[in-house]
Amino acid sequence: EVQLVESGGDLVQPGGSLRLSCAASGFTFSSYWMHWVRQAPGKGLVWVSRIDRDGTSTSYADSVKGRFTISRDHAKNTLYLQMNSLRGEDAAIYYCARDAGDLISINRFDSWGQGTLVTVSS
Amino acid sequence: EILMTQSPATLSVSPGERATLSCRASQSVSSNLAWYQQKPGQAPRLLIYGASTRASGVPARFSGSGSGTEFTLTISSVQSEDFAVYHCQQNNNWPPTFGPGTKVEIK
Repeated sequence: EVQLVESGGDLVQPGGSLRLSCAASGFTFSSYWMHWVRQAPGKGLVWVSRIDRDGTSTSYADSVKGRFTISRDHAKNTLYLQMNSLRGEDAAIYYCARDAGDLISINRFDSWGQGTLVTVSS
Repeated sequence: EILMTQSPATLSVSPGERATLSCRASQSVSSNLAWYQQKPGQAPRLLIYGASTRASGVPARFSGSGSGTEFTLTISSVQSEDFAVYHCQQNNNWPPTFGPGTKVEIK
């Protein structure tokens, strides 16, 4: 069974940093592109970032470009999101999601974690 | 960036009734449209992809249709476990974008 378990969400002050983790199990982690998607309270889903299978190609939404960094560790089967210079509008539940593509990215999400809550407030 | 809209924002239905949800794209996304179900406090779950293909384990009462810019998700006979928020998402153009969601609530 595919499992994705996020952690690392917390209350942080504006301008602060946070690193989210997503532990993957039940599938060959290194074979899939992975994504982060966020959802502000009461709002819709917004794609945040994507990383390729070997971690060499990354993409970001314009709203987080230059502030967030996605990475992965195949030895630990873990996906990360380093979030710097956090703003109030970054407050959301952050989900990691597996790309449904077989070896390539098709930008559709077939498995999701339960999410981790990031609160940005002074 | 392709803008996705959904209507209605809230749909009130009685168990056993048919529910029809709409999703519109600001430009053609061909058939590269997915639907997700999200229950309170839970992660989204993939229901439909390719506009009309049910994901593994999804009951047959869920069906999707449409292409281009207009899409529909139909629940033929709403069950108690179907009350949730439904999101559409296009994966035809970069970046992937979602609609704001339609909440299906008990009438």
